[in-house]
Amino acid sequence: QSALTQPPSVSGSPGQSVTISCTGTSSDVGSYNRVSWYQQPPGTAPKLMIYEVSNRPSGVPDRFSGSKSGNTASLTISGLQAEDEADYYCSLYTSSSTLVFGGGTKLTVL
Amino acid sequence: QVQLVQSGAEVKKPGASVKVSCKASGYTFTSYGISWVRQAPGQGLEWMGWISAYNGNTNYAQKLQGRVTMTTDTSTSTAYMELRSLRSDDTAVYYCARRLDGMDVWGQGTTVTVSS
Repeated sequence: QSALTQPPSVSGSPGQSVTISCTGTSSDVGSYNRVSWYQQPPGTAPKLMIYEVSNRPSGVPDRFSGSKSGNTASLTISGLQAEDEADYYCSLYTSSSTLVFGGGTKLTVL
Repeated sequence: QVQLVQSGAEVKKPGASVKVSCKASGYTFTSYGISWVRQAPGQGLEWMGWISAYNGNTNYAQKLQGRVTMTTDTSTSTAYMELRSLRSDDTAVYYCARRLDGMDVWGQGTTVTVSS
């Protein structure tokens, strides 16, 4: 299973919007809506932010949204806040019932 | 509340084995599977495998096939991950999480250090 490609880092100022991409292929991201996104502040366990491309678990602010176009899934954070600074990972549940993670993206709030 | 509580940190020598536990509470254990994910120092997340708490079916990452075994004890709502023939590059924080697709509850992590 090939890895999912994420940008190593993104940044934005408080109040702005940022988008983190997660690129796969037509055989994985392009074919299945089983993309999730996780937030991991330093020294803590990951937290589920988005599942099945665009669904938010209870308790996740609606500033976080997910989408997909072709072979690329995206996480958008609007109204950026200092507390959003963290590493973000996408994952894909594959047709062979395995999971693959993206390399992770470090979000810096300027 | 729903939570997963993992066992404490371990220090092992190369070639040894480690067994990490993950005790679930606040939900029906057999209704969800448990995934295991590890994170080497300064690195990203790596999926290790998944076990169904309902019937014990497993699915392991190809990279770890033959060295990892995941089990559950439904009488104590506890999942276990055993990794054998440890190497220095197995040094990592090991997490258990509920579910495979959309891991919604995570344990606090267990640090495993492999050093001679």
